[in-house]
Amino acid sequence: NAGVTQTPKFQVLKTGQSMTLQCAQDMNHEYMSWYRQDPGMGLRLIHYSVGAGITDQGEVPNGYNVSRSTTEDFPLRLLSAAPSQTSVYFCASSLRTSGQPQHFGDGTRLSIL
Amino acid sequence: GQNIDQPTEMTATEGAIVQINCTYQTSGFNGLFWYQQHAGEAPTFLSYNVLDGLEEKGRFSSFLSRSKGYSYLLLKELQMKDSASYLCAARNTGGFKTIFGAGTRLFVKA
Repeated sequence: NAGVTQTPKFQVLKTGQSMTLQCAQDMNHEYMSWYRQDPGMGLRLIHYSVGAGITDQGEVPNGYNVSRSTTEDFPLRLLSAAPSQTSVYFCASSLRTSGQPQHFGDGTRLSIL
Repeated sequence: GQNIDQPTEMTATEGAIVQINCTYQTSGFNGLFWYQQHAGEAPTFLSYNVLDGLEEKGRFSSFLSRSKGYSYLLLKELQMKDSASYLCAARNTGGFKTIFGAGTRLFVKA
């Protein structure tokens, strides 16, 4: 049972480049989310999904797109990378939205030059 | 507004007890979570409270007062491996969004 798998683990981009961070879970969880973690600021919600075909914005959605075509996968796309998007990105999932803890992937460490 | 406050750092001695406090303001409330995060790793779930009172799980306990918007995490019999960041997180009504505090870095010294 792999849990939540994120790829890549590390990535360096140049300003203006685009890329997709992959996230997959094998626990049949309905709810999936993307966070970014910056020093001193805690985890901030970027986008979330409550099921296949349903996504919505979190606290800091600008510059990011998501889609949820299957229950298992929830990729995060950076449209045009900016240095302000340098961060550690975590994908998380939970069985339902209420009363269930989130299971986190190992994170993607992204640097934008 | 929505906000979670917790101390930035705490230091405690191996074998002792430490209490990490958290105050929260959210648009609606649907549960309070505590996560542990070791440096360079992902957060892992420790405890969950949705009703007032104390939840105990081994060496870890968590308390919630909804009327005061207050929670604490109690760690007993501290071990060196407990040195980590502890994240307080509140879920809003409907459970779609979770707000995280910046975390409390706990240093356990011998």
